[in-house]
Amino acid sequence: QVHLVQSGAEVKKPGASVRVSCKASGYTFSSFKINWVRQATGQGLEWMGWMNPHSGDSGFAQKFQGRVTMTRDTSTSTAFLDLSSLGPEDTAIYYCARDLNYYFDYWGQGTLVTVSS
Amino acid sequence: DIQMTQSPSTLSASVGDRVTVTCRASQPISTWLAWYQQKPGKAPNLLIYKASNLQTGVPSRFSGSGSGTEFTLTISSLQPDDFATYYCQQYSSFWTFGPGTKVEIK
Repeated sequence: QVHLVQSGAEVKKPGASVRVSCKASGYTFSSFKINWVRQATGQGLEWMGWMNPHSGDSGFAQKFQGRVTMTRDTSTSTAFLDLSSLGPEDTAIYYCARDLNYYFDYWGQGTLVTVSS
Repeated sequence: DIQMTQSPSTLSASVGDRVTVTCRASQPISTWLAWYQQKPGKAPNLLIYKASNLQTGVPSRFSGSGSGTEFTLTISSLQPDDFATYYCQQYSSFWTFGPGTKVEIK
């Protein structure tokens, strides 16, 4: 069965960068895009961007342009989210999700990123 | 950007009640809409895609309808496991989620 397993919680200082990983299993990794969605505590869901594991192409929401990178390692079926210039407003749970036909059918368990001095 | 709104923001209901959540898009999105259920501490779970298609494994008491700018999620007979927050998501142009509707016990 399909699983997306994310890396563990991170604590970062303002201005730092963070990398979150998302390891896929149970399906052909390169056949489905991966999207990243975040959720601040007690808040709603915010789409960040997508990555095509086959081509490596990616696209991001306007507000993250310039400080987000989405990459993959096809040898380990792992997707990566890198977010730089962190501020307290980036404190959130970050989710990866498999894109079936532009909707998200499987999600990772989430990774809490805390930005605090 | 396409904005999504949901109403109500909170809904109090009892087991067995018929529950309806409304989602509106700021511009027409055809039927490019999904619904997700999220429980505290868990990732969202896909319920409905393309406005009215039930995801495999989702109980038939859940249904979706609508097109254009107005959509509804209906739970025909609310069960204890259904108390959660529900989000709509448009995927007509990039992706945007609604602010969520919390279904709580009356």
